[in-house]
Amino acid sequence: GENVEQHPSTLSVQEGDSAVIKCTYSDSASNYFPWYKQELGKRPQLIIDIRSNVGEKKDQRIAVTLNKTAKHFSLHITETQPEDSAVYFCVHSMRFGAGTRLTVKP
Amino acid sequence: EAQVTQNPRYLITVTGKKLTVTCSQNMNHEYMSWYRQDPGLGLRQIYYSMNVEVTDKGDVPEGYKVSRKEKRNFPLILESPSPNQTSLYFCASSFSQGGNQPQHFGDGTRLSIL
Repeated sequence: GENVEQHPSTLSVQEGDSAVIKCTYSDSASNYFPWYKQELGKRPQLIIDIRSNVGEKKDQRIAVTLNKTAKHFSLHITETQPEDSAVYFCVHSMRFGAGTRLTVKP
Repeated sequence: EAQVTQNPRYLITVTGKKLTVTCSQNMNHEYMSWYRQDPGLGLRQIYYSMNVEVTDKGDVPEGYKVSRKEKRNFPLILESPSPNQTSLYFCASSFSQGGNQPQHFGDGTRLSIL
């Protein structure tokens, strides 16, 4: 079955710095690569997604890149703000990564 | 407002006492799913349903049952709850087969089995 590995498990950055979270996957059955953000005590919410016919997608300060050959996709957050502090999950073929707890220090 | 509604939000109960967590969506989504979330493990899929009367096991189905008699409802049933089912549970729905579409999540149900 599908195996999704997400790194790092925790990430602490200074406000204004960039943050990068990476996920690797094992099968190629799905062409859909979403990222979800879960704030403390809340539900996961989709923040950005990409399909395998493109290599990169941007939405203001967040972007997702996909490398199909290497089977990994990454979430990039630029100019981080304290409200970006949350747990982020990658998903592939219905499998969630274990999550990355991002802390943005003011 | 488009939403996925779970009830109850919190429940403390005892081992062996049957319970049901309800989930309802108002978006006419075909695909619905249940997850449990445990620290360090992300969200693991329990059961999913691709349409009415069609259900299938996810990665951690043991000890759970589901049904999909109507498109909008997808209840999760614990026939004989045990302490290892203490967890945070999320219901989710999406327009079609969940692996290729965004999922909309409910607010979660925190279950404690004593």
